[in-house]
Amino acid sequence: LAKTTQPISMDSYEGQEVNITCSHNNIATNDYITWYQQFPSQGPRFIIQGYKTKVTNEVASLFIPADRKSSTLSLPRVSLSDTAVYYCLVGDYERNTGFQKLVFGTGTRLLVSP
Amino acid sequence: DTEVTQTPKHLVMGMTNKKSLKCEQHMGHRAMYWYKQKAKKPPELMFVYSYEKLSINESVPSRFSPECPNSSLLNLHLHALQPEDSALYLCASSQDVGSATEAFFGQGTRLTVV
Repeated sequence: LAKTTQPISMDSYEGQEVNITCSHNNIATNDYITWYQQFPSQGPRFIIQGYKTKVTNEVASLFIPADRKSSTLSLPRVSLSDTAVYYCLVGDYERNTGFQKLVFGTGTRLLVSP
Repeated sequence: DTEVTQTPKHLVMGMTNKKSLKCEQHMGHRAMYWYKQKAKKPPELMFVYSYEKLSINESVPSRFSPECPNSSLLNLHLHALQPEDSALYLCASSQDVGSATEAFFGQGTRLTVV
């Protein structure tokens, strides 16, 4: 059962780059690493997913070292609207069914100030 | 259409009431999920439906009864709830259970049990 560890909270200022690191020491060979963003009283929103090296989309970049035991979500030039909780997840397969479940860890609360 | 729509947005019910939460998606997704989220906690998986069949029940009390009438709809029937069941209830869908990590979430129903 892969679990993730993230900082509980981070503070930043507008225009800065924010890097949130997640540890997943027991990640399985076929697990992907996924990040979600959640604003208060809203459902989580998929941000980015990767398996190894680097993935970039219009919102963020995801850096994954060769051993895949950690990953870093990079948010370039954050704004006030990036204040949210960011969750790092890895695959969690249900033994009986073989289904993959989305299991959220504690997440990182990012506060962006002016 | 990449939306998951949940109704109602807010619900207040007494402990003897029977109510239902509804969820709808038109993305052709074959996996649908119910999550429960308490304040300042991560979402917790309750049920997983795959191809309209209940596939995973995370030991949820029987006062919560899920139903999947067709591939686009998911209901959660509530009966004899307790005040501690007050929470944000989130519905999500994904292409299938193999792509559970790329899920789309609804805005949630804020449930208050009095």
